[in-house]
Amino acid sequence: DTGVSQDPRHKITKRGQNVTFRCDPISEHNRLYWYRQTLGQGPEFLTYFQNEAQLEKSRLLSDRFSAERPKGSFSTLEIQRTEQGDSAMYLCASRDSQNTEAFFGQGTRLTVV
Amino acid sequence: AQKITQTQPGMFVQEKEAVTLDCTYDTSDPSYGLFWYKQPSSGEMIFLIYQGSYDQQNATEGRYSLNFQKARKSANLVISASQLGDSAMYFCAMREGVGTGNQFYFGTGTSLTVIP
Repeated sequence: DTGVSQDPRHKITKRGQNVTFRCDPISEHNRLYWYRQTLGQGPEFLTYFQNEAQLEKSRLLSDRFSAERPKGSFSTLEIQRTEQGDSAMYLCASRDSQNTEAFFGQGTRLTVV
Repeated sequence: AQKITQTQPGMFVQEKEAVTLDCTYDTSDPSYGLFWYKQPSSGEMIFLIYQGSYDQQNATEGRYSLNFQKARKSANLVISASQLGDSAMYFCAMREGVGTGNQFYFGTGTSLTVIP
């Protein structure tokens, strides 16, 4: 098990394009989180899955954002019609019910030009 | 109100010295957990230490200890014998209702620089 994996590590896109990020959590971790982190700030919660169910969504998650976790394994985060303000690091984390802490991936850095 | 407050944007410490990074929190939930994460320039968030709200003793993990003062709602991280590799951003975080899937709330972080 190599930990939480995120792909791609970096993405540069033009404003208005759609982008999709993937997160592979640690095997058998049933809880998965997406966070967004802008420069000089702490991570901000976007959404949370328990197995395949999306149980929490932040108000930060506008209607241009959608996340899925089919079959309760990997997850995808899609941003439609990207804006410059979407430029940030997108972090994924997972844990199981036995863990108190979450394990984070290395993030996907998005730059919208 | 901010759930987690870190008032030190940047800190410097001499190698081999101890340093304390401050964190205060705000919650009305009697059950919560407090966490510290380290974020090097590579970007990955690395878990350091955890303190549960019902834990009687302060948590320790190697050179890291958490100074938990429940009445003051503070959870300061103490790093002993600082090393050059400790230079990084440090984030304090809280999760309410431990045992559920609730989100982690993060502070704005403290940038620690260890001076040789």
